[in-house]
Amino acid sequence: AQSVAQPEDQVNVAEGNPLTVKCTYSVSGNPYLFWYVQYPNRGLQFLLKYITGDNLVKGSYGFEAEFNKSQTSFHLKKPSALVSDSALYFCAVRDERGSSNTGKLIFGQGTTLQVKP
Amino acid sequence: DVKVTQSSRYLVKRTGEKVFLECVQDMDHENMFWYRQDPGLGLRLIYFSYDVKMKEKGDIPEGYSVSREKKERFSLILESASTNQTSMYLCASSSDRRRGNQPQHFGDGTRLSIL
Repeated sequence: AQSVAQPEDQVNVAEGNPLTVKCTYSVSGNPYLFWYVQYPNRGLQFLLKYITGDNLVKGSYGFEAEFNKSQTSFHLKKPSALVSDSALYFCAVRDERGSSNTGKLIFGQGTTLQVKP
Repeated sequence: DVKVTQSSRYLVKRTGEKVFLECVQDMDHENMFWYRQDPGLGLRLIYFSYDVKMKEKGDIPEGYSVSREKKERFSLILESASTNQTSMYLCASSSDRRRGNQPQHFGDGTRLSIL
């Protein structure tokens, strides 16, 4: 069965330190993976995606993610965290059930990132 | 930039009422989606539509229906609202042109309370 797991409900980091938000997935075929961010009282904003190619994907606001096929992971990273990065982060994988080109996604449960000054 | 607009940010309704949530996108996207977001559960797909008048059930369709009469508009209907439908509702759209690898674009959500 397809699934996405974000093993940490919350991640706390100090401003200026590197951050990692973890995501693991389970799919039967090649994964299409996405990261989104949600600020309070807002919808989700797209950060980056992995479809194929280079395992290190760069996205918005200085975020990047590393695809690791052997570990079935797609962790979100940033070299130096900002207080303004504090938000709720969602990992998602393309839903392969049914027709593959409907663009449906399966979302993880979300990880709250808290960056302290 | 893609804009997905949900008609209400906050809505309070009573048990048993018929509730309509409206969503409009301005990028001619084929796909549109309705999710509900609850703490600890992430986003769960209620319904989606891949074309005008076409719809498919998501993972939690019970108690909901949808309507897509025009490409840009996707409506979520709570036939008879119940308190367990109190939640944040998110609408999204995406282009179908590259076979499922396009990101979804979200509205700001409607926080619905059923009393």
